[in-house]
This record gives sequence, structure tokens and C-alpha cells, in this order.
Amino acid sequence: DIVLTQSPDSLAVSLGERATINCRSSQSVLYNSNNKNYLAWYQQKPGQPPKVLIYWASTRESGVPDRFSGSGSGTDFTLTISSLQAEDVAVYYCQQYYSTPSGTFGQGTKLELK
Amino acid sequence: QVQLLESGGGVVQPGRSLTLSCAASGFTFSGFAMHWVRQAPAKGLEWVAVVSYDGSKKTYTDSVKGRFTISRDNSKNALYLQVSSLRAEDTAVYYCARDGIYHGSGSYYNVWGQGTLVTVSS
Repeated sequence: DIVLTQSPDSLAVSLGERATINCRSSQSVLYNSNNKNYLAWYQQKPGQPPKVLIYWASTRESGVPDRFSGSGSGTDFTLTISSLQAEDVAVYYCQQYYSTPSGTFGQGTKLELK
Repeated sequence: QVQLLESGGGVVQPGRSLTLSCAASGFTFSGFAMHWVRQAPAKGLEWVAVVSYDGSKKTYTDSVKGRFTISRDNSKNALYLQVSSLRAEDTAVYYCARDGIYHGSGSYYNVWGQGTLVTVSS
């Protein structure tokens, strides 16, 4: 089974500063036949369901602000928020769908304001 | 608008059963695989099960195999999860979620319901 490990578990960032969350997979989620990384990022605010931000590791979902970006390939991935806004306080999860049809999530990273 | 609405949660004793429902609207339900994802109190997300867009294929996480059954009725735009032999560790908010790819087999989840809480307690 593919295990996703996020780091850090929590971080505090000042408004306007950059936030970086990492996700490491226990095996590659790059599918060689189409050169796509089967990895997504979600944001979950308290009392709300998750919301997809990024899929295919770097494709931004429609309507997601461009301060959110995803990067990485193979086993190491990063979600970057370029300039933190107050509304970005949330828990962030990575998810792999390489083992389709099933999918597994990382343990989550709690992002707070400093 | 595109929407998923879960129902059927509640407090249930260990060993008992429950059926969760998810009503879909605003999109071509029969064109997308559908998933159940759960979240135990103050914990992370756990994928539970998926059913293909036509209902022919079903896959489960190991911890629920033989106890949970996912199904769909495309004529009613409805998704179901029959949960049986419930354990305390099944206590969670259960979300239904739409697969991100039309006629895909399982990918990211780009539409989520608000969730329904299942509490297993004597």
C-alpha cells in the first residue's frame, strides 16, 4: 500500500508570507505511460468538507486562487501558498490516486497564523 | 448547482447496521464514479469505498471489506453505503464524493457533500 507522509504536522505563518507543505510518497505516483503524477491537494476548514485545490500534482482546480501552487514528481511533492491570507487557515491534505480506484490521504498539515 | 447531500447517519449500537444515502444533483450522475470518505472525530481523511459510474465495479478499504456495501441507483441519482457489524472505530463523519474524471475509474474528488455523522456507541 502507498503511504503518504506530510511535513510538517503543523506550521504557523504570518500574513503575506509563504507557506510550504510537503508530501512524500512511499512509492512513485508518476505513471510513466502518460507522465502524470497521480497526486492531489485538499484544503479543509473547520466544520466543512474538504475542497480540492490541486490535482495531477500541479493543475489548479477552477476557482482556486493562483497563490496556491503544486509542484514535485515521483515521490516528493510540495504545496505552496505564495502569500498567506487569513482565509487560508485550514488543514491541508495530499492524496494519491495512483492505486486507483482506491486513494489514500496524508495525515494532514494544520496551517495557522503566526 | 452541483450538489451532494448525505443522510442516514445517527447513533447506533456496536454490531448493528445502518444505510447511508447520498443524493446527487446538478450533474450527470451516471457518468462519474462515486466514493465514500470518512473522518473520525479530530482525525484525518480515510477513503472507504468506490463504485464505478455504471455500478459494475466496487472497491473497499481493507478495514471495511465484508462489512460495508457500496451501491448506486443511477435512475434516482443516488449513492448508498450499507454499513453493518459496526464497531466503535467506525465512528466518523461519512462524506460522499464525486470522482474528478468523467467515466474515470478513481482519481481525485472534486465534489463533496457536507457529510453525515455515524456514532457507534452502546
